[in-house]
Amino acid sequence: NAGVTQTPKFQVLKTGQSMTLQCAQDMNHNSMYWYRQDPGMGLRLIYYSASEGTTDKGEVPNGYNVSRLNKREFSLRLESAAPSQTSVYFCASDDYDRGFTEAFFGQGTRLTVV
Amino acid sequence: AQSVTQLDSQVPVFEEAPVELRCNYSSSVSVYLFWYVQYPNQGLQLLLKYLSGSTLVKGINGFEAEFNKSQTSFHLRKPSVHISDTAEYFCAVTATGSSYKLIFGSGTRLLVRP
Repeated sequence: NAGVTQTPKFQVLKTGQSMTLQCAQDMNHNSMYWYRQDPGMGLRLIYYSASEGTTDKGEVPNGYNVSRLNKREFSLRLESAAPSQTSVYFCASDDYDRGFTEAFFGQGTRLTVV
Repeated sequence: AQSVTQLDSQVPVFEEAPVELRCNYSSSVSVYLFWYVQYPNQGLQLLLKYLSGSTLVKGINGFEAEFNKSQTSFHLRKPSVHISDTAEYFCAVTATGSSYKLIFGSGTRLLVRP
């Protein structure tokens, strides 16, 4: 059981380049999330998807777009990367609507924008 | 809206000593509370959670936490730490109502010394 899988694990981008971070979960969860982690700031929610076909902004959505491709997959896109987007990105999923127990996290994507 | 405060950014402790990592939250509604651990270059792993019931919650690796509603606290404790407990610890909260969002504290780095 893989849980939450993120690709890639590491990425270096030049300012202005675009890229998509991929996330897939195999736990049949309805809810999926993208967080970013920065030193001294914990994890901050970028976007979330409460169910297939819906997405909503979190705390820090500027500069990002998301797609809930199907129940399993939730991607995060940086259209024009900026150095301020250098961070570690985590995808998560949970079963909030079916009796929430915990959120499961992927291993993270370490992104550097130069 | 909810918020989480972890009062200590770093806690150094000697091996086999007890430790307490502090977490206070703010919320106008009932909440679920969590502690996650992050080992270097890894994702987040759930240590323990409070959803309802007994206010003393036991988790993995010998950790426990006590939910104190009057103090709005959820402090994490371990009676005797090991070198392998060196990691970053995050307290998180989510509302029990319609919110799907985990709100994280800024993290506490536990440094266990021999």
